[in-house]
Amino acid sequence: EADIYQTPRYLVIGTGKKITLECSQTMGHDKMYWYQQDPGMELHLIHYSYGVNSTEKGDLSSESTVSRIRTEHFPLTLESARPSHTSQYLCASSEYGGPNTQYFGPGTRLTVL
Amino acid sequence: EDQVTQSPEALRLQEGESSSLNCSYTVSGLRGLFWYRQDPGKGPEFLFTLYSAGEEKEKERLKATLTKKESFLHITAPKPEDSATYLCAVQDLSGGYNKLIFGAGTRLAVHP
Repeated sequence: EADIYQTPRYLVIGTGKKITLECSQTMGHDKMYWYQQDPGMELHLIHYSYGVNSTEKGDLSSESTVSRIRTEHFPLTLESARPSHTSQYLCASSEYGGPNTQYFGPGTRLTVL
Repeated sequence: EDQVTQSPEALRLQEGESSSLNCSYTVSGLRGLFWYRQDPGKGPEFLFTLYSAGEEKEKERLKATLTKKESFLHITAPKPEDSATYLCAVQDLSGGYNKLIFGAGTRLAVHP
């Protein structure tokens, strides 16, 4: 059973605001990921981390940034939100070795007006 | 280029009417194929991992199979609670960071 949490679940915010989406996991997983998903579309990887102080950009270009100061915490920040950032943001984690089964959080639905 | 294609895009079944969902993939070296279930407004829920052609895995009314070019998710005697979007993803051996490539999913609706 995966224990990965995301807050807030829903966020409606105005253009230009700075936002941070929180993601925490209690499984001690080294790897963590952020995906972006639009309705009816594929998940696209925007950021990932192999461990503390390790962050990399994924395949989909994103104006967001991430940090990994603690193993269990992987927040995503948008310095200046725009309507084009409106989407579902999903956080996931997996163990370092073995099969790369990724366990997902419930997601944050972001709407930028 | 690595690619995952799922079909059909949407499927409507009557309760008890068995069917199969398809996931076709193109990767340079398959490390694993994953099936997830996603309910509206929620994150994907892990179902199965398959590693090699010929492998099969089952969970309740679901059975996943794998060939060298595609995977099937068979649903036997589905119930309304099986309604969800089913996602397929592949992990490429050549990927530098064990990335998963997702298909767009099949939206399944099971009606009583």
